[in-house]
This record gives sequence, structure tokens and C-alpha cells, in this order.
Amino acid sequence: QKEVEQNSGPLSVPEGAIASLNCTYSDRGSQSFFWYRQYSGKSPELIMSIYSNGDKEDGRFTAQLNKASQYVSLLIRDSQPSDSATYLCAVSTGGFKTIFGAGTRLFVKA
Amino acid sequence: DTGVSQNPRHKITKRGQNVTFRCDPISEHNRLYWYRQTLGQGPEFLTYFQNEAQLEKSRLLSDRFSAERPKGSFSTLEIQRTEQGDSAMYLCASGDWRGGEKLFFGSGTQLSVL
Repeated sequence: QKEVEQNSGPLSVPEGAIASLNCTYSDRGSQSFFWYRQYSGKSPELIMSIYSNGDKEDGRFTAQLNKASQYVSLLIRDSQPSDSATYLCAVSTGGFKTIFGAGTRLFVKA
Repeated sequence: DTGVSQNPRHKITKRGQNVTFRCDPISEHNRLYWYRQTLGQGPEFLTYFQNEAQLEKSRLLSDRFSAERPKGSFSTLEIQRTEQGDSAMYLCASGDWRGGEKLFFGSGTQLSVL
């Protein structure tokens, strides 16, 4: 079992729609959860972090965490073509070692 | 804050040769990480340093890989006797206590082993 699992996609949504990206993790001791965005040919950049159960909103992005289900999600509202990228879920157990999932490719169609 | 800098950007080498990559983290960041990424996969953890101490190294990492961070500033990653399977993007990231566990990545070094 992989430590961090994501649906590789691609996920295709029309412009203006909500994109929903999901992630599960295996280590119940995980404490910190992140979403990174990676454009083709570029390095990952952090877009959201979440540390406690519930929702965290930042602009058009909402991260959701459910530790009991070991589940993290990212919602992107009013999706734009510029949101087309690979979204990486990352998890840290508190020892500053961050493990990444394989990423979900998102395409937003104009 | 000039960002994380990695050199070289690209490296082509023949199988069996040794290669060395350099990473300069964001100044004052005490944590430095090396990851490896292949096409269609997420970054794979290799090792990380807090200041000059190497605190963890991936169990999957061959003995041909070694990393150093003298004086807790820049870091080097050396791969000895390269193999075709070593071809990948090698990413460096840094972080510090002010950012929690957030990572800031460099542009990476793309290694091609022929």
C-alpha cells in the first residue's frame, strides 16, 4: 500500500465548474497535510496546508481533512484554464519528512 | 529571498560515470530536502538535513547516492556509477520553523544517463 494515494486522472472539468481532488494516506500518525500545484516542466509550489479536521478556505481553494477516514481533499471553485496542472497531495508525520502522492492531472476546458 | 537555486539545470552523462548536483537553499532555511521525480510520478523522498545534520535517508536509496551539507548552507548530492534507472529530475527543497513544514522547491536538475 502506497503511503499517499491519489487518482492519477486526468480529471477534466469545464471552465467555471468545481474541481474536486482526493487523497488518502496510510499513516494515522500524520499531522500535516499539503496540496502542491505543479505545472508541466515546473517545480511543485505550495497552494494549501491544513492541520486539523474540517475545511480551510483560501480564495477559490478549499482543503478538507478527515483524519478518522485518513482522507484529504481539495476543491477548486470557478475553475480556470490556468488551473490546469498536476495537483500533488503531501503528508508529513511531524518529523519533517514529507511524502508525496503521484498527483492528479487536472484539465480545465475553456 | 532569492529562492532555492539548483545547478546544473541539465546533466547528461554516460552510464558508470559519477555526477554531483548542488543546491543553495533560501538563506536562513535550516532544513534542506532532496527528492527525485520521474515522469508521471510525485516527488520521491531521498534525504533531508536540519542544519548540517543528515536526519533521514530513504531506505530505498542505493549506497551509490550520498548527500552532504557542510556548514549547514548549500548541499551536494552525488551519484556514483550512474545507471540508466537514475535518469530523473532531482529536486531540492528548503524550509524553516517559520513556515512549519512547508517546502519551497528549486527548479531541479534533470539527469539523463545514456
